[in-house]
Amino acid sequence: GQQVMQIPQYQHVQEGEDFTTYCNSSTTLSNIQWYKQRPGGHPVFLIQLVKSGEVKKQKRLTFQFGEAKKNSSLHITATQTTDVGTYFCASGYSTLTFGKGTMLLVSP
Amino acid sequence: DTAVSQTPKYLVTQMGNDKSIKCEQNLGHDTMYWYKQDSKKFLKIMFSYNNKELIINETVPNRFSPKSPDKAHLNLHINSLELGDSAVYFCASSQGSQVNTEAFFGQGTRLTVV
Repeated sequence: GQQVMQIPQYQHVQEGEDFTTYCNSSTTLSNIQWYKQRPGGHPVFLIQLVKSGEVKKQKRLTFQFGEAKKNSSLHITATQTTDVGTYFCASGYSTLTFGKGTMLLVSP
Repeated sequence: DTAVSQTPKYLVTQMGNDKSIKCEQNLGHDTMYWYKQDSKKFLKIMFSYNNKELIINETVPNRFSPKSPDKAHLNLHINSLELGDSAVYFCASSQGSQVNTEAFFGQGTRLTVV
């Protein structure tokens, strides 16, 4: 599968602050998927990006796919305590390879 | 009504034992998967089944054997359990390949080998 690196590994923010996680690859990605896993929970699909330069929004979440299709980002505006969890990017041609995830903690 | 259900949710067992984890999906999907998530939350695919046939078997010890009696079920049998097998195992399903479409995950089975 395609290798994807995620940064940061961990981030702690105050409620109301913004948060961004980045997903990078040394090779061109076919597409990129984002999942969220709450503590003690299971991964839940958020979105899939396919086109170069694509930007999609889901309420306070903004997803971007780089022009070269080698990177992607997930930005959360004005975090809330319900945003707590680990965010994974994933990509692949035949099998889906997950990044190591970014754990987000939000303090009230 | 749970879309992808796994049993048991927790499993504690001794080294050397054999155990099974069951998975069922009621979404009508044609592809099912087993993932292993280690203590560092690294999520790695183990097996992928499409229409009851194994299509992907990542580097997994042959102590692990998936069994798919029908499209809606993919069970995981593990022989001679080792300490390093302790992890959370997730079953998932999708319609078509997961690389192109949303996958639905089960609640996970936390396996602890002592």
